Amino acid sequence: GAGVSQTPSNKVTEKGKYVELRCDPISGHTALYWYRQSLGQGPEFLIYFQGTGAADDSGLPNDRFFAVRPEGSVSTLKIQRTERGDSAVYLCASSLMEGQHYNEQFFGPGTRLTVL
Amino acid sequence: GQQLNQSPQSMFIQEGEDVSMNCTSSSIFNTWLWYKQEPGEGPVLLIALYKAGELTSNGRLTAQFGITRKDSFLNISASIPSDVGIYFCAGRGNYGQNFVFGPGTRLSVLP
Repeated sequence: GAGVSQTPSNKVTEKGKYVELRCDPISGHTALYWYRQSLGQGPEFLIYFQGTGAADDSGLPNDRFFAVRPEGSVSTLKIQRTERGDSAVYLCASSLMEGQHYNEQFFGPGTRLTVL
Repeated sequence: GQQLNQSPQSMFIQEGEDVSMNCTSSSIFNTWLWYKQEPGEGPVLLIALYKAGELTSNGRLTAQFGITRKDSFLNISASIPSDVGIYFCAGRGNYGQNFVFGPGTRLSVLP
């Protein structure tokens, strides 16, 4: 596809359950970012991948959150023992790593997670 | 941690009017980005700024990188209904790859 895609678009789960959110970046983009956006707020950085490795995971709120990108393309954000406070839109973005282009992040439509 | 403030929080304007909004930071940034987000979608990059004092245009949009490197401004000329949305600034300093986003300015355009 031409843009960043995220699945599912909506996810409703119960407190304590495990969820996985998937991101397909733009083909050829080596940098991939996860953000969380709460209602009325701007996106909040979670984790950044350069290729297969997590270059910066300082934004992950606690050890219930984990993300992988095993082949340097698709990424999965995993949340264990979900809590109601995890409810938010989870955004994925990708960018090239050439020169200033790494600043130009292209966002997917997000996954809206609701924890009941 | 670093924080960005955006003002105004929201604005209602008449179609055809010009719009100004700004973003301020407690820290110095070396890159500023402006995004627009519409309901149910991810943010879309409008303008990127890389040097203090830089003024960059994209159609009816013009953004400036403040001289102090702690602020940025976005202007929209001759607003149209499709300008409706939330406008976010994002800044990045010298410390890493991460961008900090502001809380957004919600723009409504009345026909």
